[in-house]
Amino acid sequence: QVQLRQSGPGLVRPSQTLSLTCAISGDSVSNSTSLWIWIRQSPSRGLEWLGRTYYRAKWYSDYAVSVKSRMTINADTSKNQVSLQLNSVTPEDTALYYCGRGSDFWSGYIDNWGQGTLVTVSS
Amino acid sequence: QSALTQPRSVSGSPGQSVTISCTGTDSDVGNYNYVSWYQQPPGKAPKLMIYDVSQRPSGVPDRFSGSKSDNTASLTISGLQAEDEADYYCCSYAGSYTWVFGGGTRLTVL
Repeated sequence: QVQLRQSGPGLVRPSQTLSLTCAISGDSVSNSTSLWIWIRQSPSRGLEWLGRTYYRAKWYSDYAVSVKSRMTINADTSKNQVSLQLNSVTPEDTALYYCGRGSDFWSGYIDNWGQGTLVTVSS
Repeated sequence: QSALTQPRSVSGSPGQSVTISCTGTDSDVGNYNYVSWYQQPPGKAPKLMIYDVSQRPSGVPDRFSGSKSDNTASLTISGLQAEDEADYYCCSYAGSYTWVFGGGTRLTVL
């Protein structure tokens, strides 16, 4: 079965870059029917869909309007993983970050979730 | 986009049925049949319970069902069990390749 294992620092300084990775087992990051999604959860904002990447003969990414200017999601086929980078972070970016796998381009449902990574933005 | 609106909490006794609503707009819930529901026990990652308004993934009990009318989607849990106690979130396609979640509903089994 598909397993997603997240890693990354739990503390990021304000104005710095938040970087997380999601290692995939049981599926290929290049699978043309899978989508790799990032979501975050905080008490103030609840669950928030952040963005996704997917391979359809080439790589594509979609982002939520709220983070589009600061976020990049990449795939690393050699390591079978996806990564998230969020620039210029503020305390409002403090949240539990999840990666997930989607199986339908339009439906967007997430059928496998990582374990979550708590990221605190603080000096 | 604004988050979808869910009641903060619902409750029911074992064996009863409860329904959780998820209200959006013509730009999301009302315009697409792409509503999903997730169950999140305390301290755990969400789990997919319903997709495409009313489809159940394999392994999800048929006590869980979904529906939609206009801008409101609903999750109904029948034959309530203690293990159903959790937070529930809806999610809808919102156009332009983005998705929006609801604020979450805490289900208490009395």
